[in-house]
Amino acid sequence: DAGVTQSPTHLIKTRGQQVTLRCSPKSGHDTVSWYQQALGQGPQFIFQYYEEEERQRGNFPDRFSGHQFPNYSSELNVNALLLGDSALYLCASSRAGVSYNEQFFGPGTRLTVL
Amino acid sequence: SQQGEEDPQALSIQEGENATMNCSYKTSINNLQWYRQNSGRGLVHLILIRSNEREKHSGRLRVTLDTSKKSSSLLITASRAADTASYFCVPGGGSNYKLTFGKGTLLTVNP
Repeated sequence: DAGVTQSPTHLIKTRGQQVTLRCSPKSGHDTVSWYQQALGQGPQFIFQYYEEEERQRGNFPDRFSGHQFPNYSSELNVNALLLGDSALYLCASSRAGVSYNEQFFGPGTRLTVL
Repeated sequence: SQQGEEDPQALSIQEGENATMNCSYKTSINNLQWYRQNSGRGLVHLILIRSNEREKHSGRLRVTLDTSKKSSSLLITASRAADTASYFCVPGGGSNYKLTFGKGTLLTVNP
């Protein structure tokens, strides 16, 4: 049973460019969340997708957008990249309807913006 | 959801010793989770304790929860080098939405 997978593993972009990160949830999960983790900090919630809709959003600008597909996989798009967007981007999946909020995390995509 | 505050920020011990990390939070919760993050296995859920539980065990892990003090502790017994990681507590409100992480406790277990 595959866990959460993310691609690519690493990515280098320059300021102003756009990037798309991809995530496939754990089998049986229908909810995908994205987090940004700067060096030395805990992960920060970007947004969560369920039933192909953004269900909740953290304190991130509109440059961060996402999408969820019918097979529950998800993409995170970041436009007009800034140096400060350099971070580890984590995708987490979970199953709606459970009484607690355990999320399963992927290995992350390391984004470097030059 | 609210953020937990882990203490200490960093902890260094020898292999075989016990490690204790603490977490405080501000408002009432339905549950509290502990996660571990290391370079090898990424961010992994360790254990969840519900608000009506006072103590929970999982292998070498022991978690306590004191809702009157709004605090939790994570004890790792007989630590191993592989336990070297950052540990995060995540207070939960019960809905399947965001997790709010603090800065965590960086545990280093020296061989």
